[in-house]
Amino acid sequence: DAGVTQSPTHLIKTRGQQVTLRCSPISGHKSVSWYQQVLGQGPQFIFQYYEKEERGRGNFPDRFSARQFPNYSSELNVNALLLGDSALYLCASTSPDRSYEQYFGPGTRLTVT
Amino acid sequence: QKEVEQNSGPLSVPEGAIASLNCTYSDRGSQSFFWYRQYSGKSPELIMSIYSNGDKEDGRFTAQLNKASQYVSLLIRDSQPSDSATYLCAVADSNYQLIWGAGTKLIIKP
Repeated sequence: DAGVTQSPTHLIKTRGQQVTLRCSPISGHKSVSWYQQVLGQGPQFIFQYYEKEERGRGNFPDRFSARQFPNYSSELNVNALLLGDSALYLCASTSPDRSYEQYFGPGTRLTVT
Repeated sequence: QKEVEQNSGPLSVPEGAIASLNCTYSDRGSQSFFWYRQYSGKSPELIMSIYSNGDKEDGRFTAQLNKASQYVSLLIRDSQPSDSATYLCAVADSNYQLIWGAGTKLIIKP
């Protein structure tokens, strides 16, 4: 089975612009989580979706939004980009059993100039 | 605030030796614990999960959990240069969302 896929792999945007990042979970996984990781830190939780419903939201401003589609893929949107939004954005899908193991995609490297 | 603490390192270990990585967490209700390996510029890769007190072994890796002390560790036996990476500890909270440590950088010296 294919792993978690994310697109694009790299992105360069200008301050004030908007960006959409995409993620497809592992087949059979219904939950997707989004994380932001800046250099030297662990991932910071942004959103979790399960069966198209938001299950959790981290401490991020309203400029960040997400949604999950009927096929369980997901999009993360960031509006009014700031320089500080430059980071690796990670998507993870959660195992459908009770283990709560999360498996990550390759990430999207966002650079805001 | 729920926290997961790790020594940032770097932890330098000779090739062939045992590397010991440690993690403490603040939420006593946590039930699920994970170790991820992350190479520079790459995404985290799950290497171990542990749910019960005691040891869990998988190849050269052993995870140890002590819920009373709120302590999780990862031992890597016969360390190889390819084990050089940042190791992230993650703990699932009561909502099954992962709380992450900042990671320990491990360097295996040939």
